[in-house]
Amino acid sequence: AQKVTQAQTEISVVEKEDVTLDCVYETRDTTYYLFWYKQPPSGELVFLIRRNSFDEQNEISGRYSWNFQKSTSSFNFTITASQVVDSAVYFCALSGETSGSRLTFGEGTQLTVNP
Amino acid sequence: NAGVMQNPRHLVRRRGQEARLRCSPMKGHSHVYWYRQLPEEGLKFMVYLQKENIIDESGMPKERFSAEFPKEGPSILRIQQVVRGDSAAYFCASSSFGTTQYFGPGTRLTVL
Repeated sequence: AQKVTQAQTEISVVEKEDVTLDCVYETRDTTYYLFWYKQPPSGELVFLIRRNSFDEQNEISGRYSWNFQKSTSSFNFTITASQVVDSAVYFCALSGETSGSRLTFGEGTQLTVNP
Repeated sequence: NAGVMQNPRHLVRRRGQEARLRCSPMKGHSHVYWYRQLPEEGLKFMVYLQKENIIDESGMPKERFSAEFPKEGPSILRIQQVVRGDSAAYFCASSSFGTTQYFGPGTRLTVL
């Protein structure tokens, strides 16, 4: 069975601080995909990134960066110089060969960025 | 707007009524997924459909819930005889085969 664990239920930071959201996954699949989605207070789900299991290169997109480490089964997400607009619930998700296309989500991390 | 469309955004039903949730996928996408987000919980997969076919319904409750994606028109998630425990946000996502799922804004169902 697949599992995604986001151990941090809530994180609170002050604007301009860097913050890292942790994601640990479990799967027996050789080929799998990892995702991050953002759910702002308005409630919609916004896609942020998708990585496949064969690509361990870290990725940077503006203030966002992702660190994928197969050795520790982790796919952590860092926001640099956080802003109030980053306040949201962030979900890590996994799909793989045995699960087909369905996504297995973590429980989410509520990030609050205070001015 | 070429995004995933869901309607209604908010739906209120009394216990025992039927709820119909609609989802129009992004242009060019033929795969639709439904997920449910119960209060204070993460998202749980319900069902995966392609046009006129249910591919995976392993997350769908055995009773009262059904889904379809007809040849023409939106995908429909139908909940019969709703109960208070059905109150949740229902999200639809769409994709091309094997690609990223993009989500709609969700339908918030409240059962009185």
